[in-house]
Amino acid sequence: EIVLTQSPGTLSLSPGERATLSCRASQSVSSSYLAWYQQKPGQAPRLLIYGASSRATGIPDRFSGSGSGTDFTLTISRLEPEDFAVYYCQQYGSSPNTFGQGTKLEIK
Amino acid sequence: EVQLVESGGGLVKPGGSLRLSCAASGFTFSSYSMNWVRQAPGKGLEWVSSISSSSSYIYYADSVKGRFTISRDNAKNSLYLQMNSLRAEDTAVYYCARDPAAMVPTINDYWGQGTLVTVSS
Repeated sequence: EIVLTQSPGTLSLSPGERATLSCRASQSVSSSYLAWYQQKPGQAPRLLIYGASSRATGIPDRFSGSGSGTDFTLTISRLEPEDFAVYYCQQYGSSPNTFGQGTKLEIK
Repeated sequence: EVQLVESGGGLVKPGGSLRLSCAASGFTFSSYSMNWVRQAPGKGLEWVSSISSSSSYIYYADSVKGRFTISRDNAKNSLYLQMNSLRAEDTAVYYCARDPAAMVPTINDYWGQGTLVTVSS
C-alpha cells in the first residue's frame, strides 16, 4: 500500500501568514488522485481539495493544492483564525486508499 | 443540504458484535457510493469499507476483512456496518461518508458526525 508522510508534524504560524503543508507518497500517486481534508477538534473531516488541485464545493480560494507523482503541497495563502486545525492528505489512486498522519496547524 | 447521521456505537466486549447505521438525507442516496472511515482516539484516519450505489462493488480494508460487513438499503436511505469479532484495536469513531465515484473508493465529499465504538472488557 502507498504510505503518505506529511510534514511538518506541527506548523506554528500567525493569522495572515502563508502556510505550506507537504505530503510525500512512498510510490507515485496515479493520475494525481490526491485529496486534502481539514479537521477541527470534535468535528468530522471536511474535504478541501481533490485531484491534487481542485477545490471542493464552498472552499475559499485561499486554499490551493499542487503537485504530482510523489510530492504534493497544500497552500493556505493568508491564514484566517478558522484555518487552525489538523490537515490530512489521502491518496485514492491505488487500493487501499490511505491517509497521511496529519499536520497540525497551530496559532503561534 | 446533505446530511449523514450515524448511530449504533457504544461499549462492547472483545469478541462481541455491533451494527452501525448511517441515515442519509438531502441527496439521492441510491446514486452514490458510500464509505466507512474510522479514527482511533487521538490518531489519524483509516478507510474501512466501501459500497457502490447498487451494492455491486464492495471493498474492505485488510484489517477488517472477514469480520465486518457493509450493506445498504436504498429504499430506506441507509448505510450499515455489521462488526463482528471486535478487537480492542477497533476502538474508534466511525464516520460514514459519501463518495462521488461509481465503482472504486475515492474521496469523501460529505461526512457524518461519527459514532464512537469502544471495545473493552
